[in-house]
Formats: sequence, structure tokens, C-alpha cells
Amino acid sequence: EAGVTQSPTHLIKTRGQQATLRCSPISGHTSVYWYQQALGLGLQFLLWYDEGEERNRGNFPPRFSGRQFPNYSSELNVNALELEDSALYLCASSWGDAGGPDTQYFGPGTRLTVL
Amino acid sequence: AQSVTQLDSQVPVFEEAPVELRCNYSSSVSVYLFWYVQYPNQGLQLLLKYLSGSTLVESINGFEAEFNKSQTSFHLRKPSVHISDTAEYFCAVRGRGYSTLTFGKGTMLLVSP
Repeated sequence: EAGVTQSPTHLIKTRGQQATLRCSPISGHTSVYWYQQALGLGLQFLLWYDEGEERNRGNFPPRFSGRQFPNYSSELNVNALELEDSALYLCASSWGDAGGPDTQYFGPGTRLTVL
Repeated sequence: AQSVTQLDSQVPVFEEAPVELRCNYSSSVSVYLFWYVQYPNQGLQLLLKYLSGSTLVESINGFEAEFNKSQTSFHLRKPSVHISDTAEYFCAVRGRGYSTLTFGKGTMLLVSP
């Protein structure tokens, strides 16, 4: 069974541009989570999508947004890129039993570099 | 809300020595607990988890962790480490009724010959 996949592996942008990152969950999983792993800041929760809806959001500005498609894949958009947005962006998926004994499985990540 | 503390940012050990990576958490509700491992330039892999039942949980590659409710800890142990265990290890907690994971800062396990 295929795991969580993310594309692209690496992305290089300049300040002010927009970045789009993509994630395909494990088959059967309906929830997708996005996390940012920036140097020195650890892993921070960004967004949670389930059944096509945004369910929860971390402490990030509105220029971080996304969506979930009918096939449960997801897209993370970062507008007006800033240097400090440089990080590894990790996507995770789960069955969607929020609050219950649900386990999140992670993809390999997209390394975003903002110059 | 939940929080996780991994006291050691780096743990150097020699091959075949035992190791313990410490994790303490804080939560106002009951929790689910996880250990993830991140090898260089890769994503996170689930190592083991405590959801309910037996407080001692094991992974397929020899790691184990014990949930201690009174001490709010979930320390990770391995009796004999290999060079290939060199990686960063993250402890994570999710409160029952909550959807998102809260991670510790990570512990870098450095195994040398």
C-alpha cells in the first residue's frame, strides 16, 4: 500500500512569490494535516482538512492557506513568501477519527527555500 | 492544550550500548502518545504509539516505551543500539478529543562505533 506522497521534493522561490505544495494521502484516509518544520522552531501544526473542509488552523498568518479536493488530496499555498518561510513542509494523513485513537502517517516532505 | 518536553537535544552513545530518550508531557485531558523518527533528509516515520491498554509498547526494531501516567512520561528505550539508529527522534502527544499533534523539540541520537 502506498504511503503519503508529496510533491515537489524541493522548491526554490524568491521573496514575494507564491508557492504551491501538494499531498496525496494514504488510500482510505480522509484527513490531511500540514506541519512546518523550520530550523530552530521544531514541528508546528499549520492546517487540518477533513472531508473537504478546513477543520483547524495553527498560529500562522492568512497567507498560508490550502484546500482539500474530492479525492482527499490536498494543496498548501503560501502567498507573499518571506525568507522565514524556508522550511520542510510535512503532510500527514489519517482515517479522520478526530479525537479518537487516530494515527497520523507522514509523507517525505517538501523542502521550500525562499531566496 | 498539550505540551511536550524532550530534555535532551542530543544523546551520543556507542554502538551496542543501551539508550533512553526522555519525554515528558503536560495535558489537562487524557492523551495518546507517539514516537516518530526522522532520518536525515527524510520525513517522519511512526516508531511506536500508546493509545490504550498495556502501558509498555514496542516497535519492530527493538525500541520500547512505557507510558507512566503519574510521572506524565513516555520515555523511549533500546537495550542495544546500532549505527543505523542514528536519527532524530520526536515525541508527540494528542489529547483525547483533540485533532492535532503537539511535538517535542526532538532528540538527536548519535551512535558511533
